[in-house]
Amino acid sequence: AQKITQTQPGMFVQEKEAVTLDCTYDTSDPSYGLFWYKQPSSGEMIFLIYQGSYDQQNATEGRYSLNFQKARKSANLVISASQLGDSAMYFCAMREGSRSSGDKLTFGTGTRLAVRP
Amino acid sequence: DGGITQSPKYLFRKEGQNVTLSCEQNLNHDAMYWYRQDPGQGLRLIYYSQIVNDFQKGDIAEGYSVSREKKESFPLTVTSAQKNPTAFYLCASHHLRQPGNTIYFGEGSWLTVV
Repeated sequence: AQKITQTQPGMFVQEKEAVTLDCTYDTSDPSYGLFWYKQPSSGEMIFLIYQGSYDQQNATEGRYSLNFQKARKSANLVISASQLGDSAMYFCAMREGSRSSGDKLTFGTGTRLAVRP
Repeated sequence: DGGITQSPKYLFRKEGQNVTLSCEQNLNHDAMYWYRQDPGQGLRLIYYSQIVNDFQKGDIAEGYSVSREKKESFPLTVTSAQKNPTAFYLCASHHLRQPGNTIYFGEGSWLTVV
């Protein structure tokens, strides 16, 4: 089974509108962390937001917020007021801390977001 | 400034040759990772290491080898046994078991077989 699933290979959004990028995960480890990264065409990985499994509130970082639904094992990224510079690949990742898997970091297949002017 | 340095940024390899990609970090991080990314695809884990002189295979370790002789260094060798090595390679690191910690990435290395 996939550890991290991103079901949207590509998405469009109109400039200044909000967009939600989906991410579901699978783990039996009670302690884990969820990350979102942005990868522009240059290839660098830009950290956006982090959510710990024990965090009570959804994480927010500027225009980015993480809609964490633990029971559903989903960690969707919400980008508000989209900008042209938001056009990029977006990756969801999970860090597990179990003894069997070690401190392993697993990525989804990504969602390519295109912002229309 | 602290960070991760990958080199070279671009590398061309002839078929049958081994090549080594360098990854150095001055962040005093325990864990280091190597990922492979094919065009338009996600990141796949090759190898990772949590401590000096120890490392584990990831999902696509065949045809690759690593070493972790020093905490700050985690070089990746792409051997001739790797049949399709053309890809973008990313190195990453982080502290172990620190919640809320971000993971640092290098700028990546583009490997092309000619």
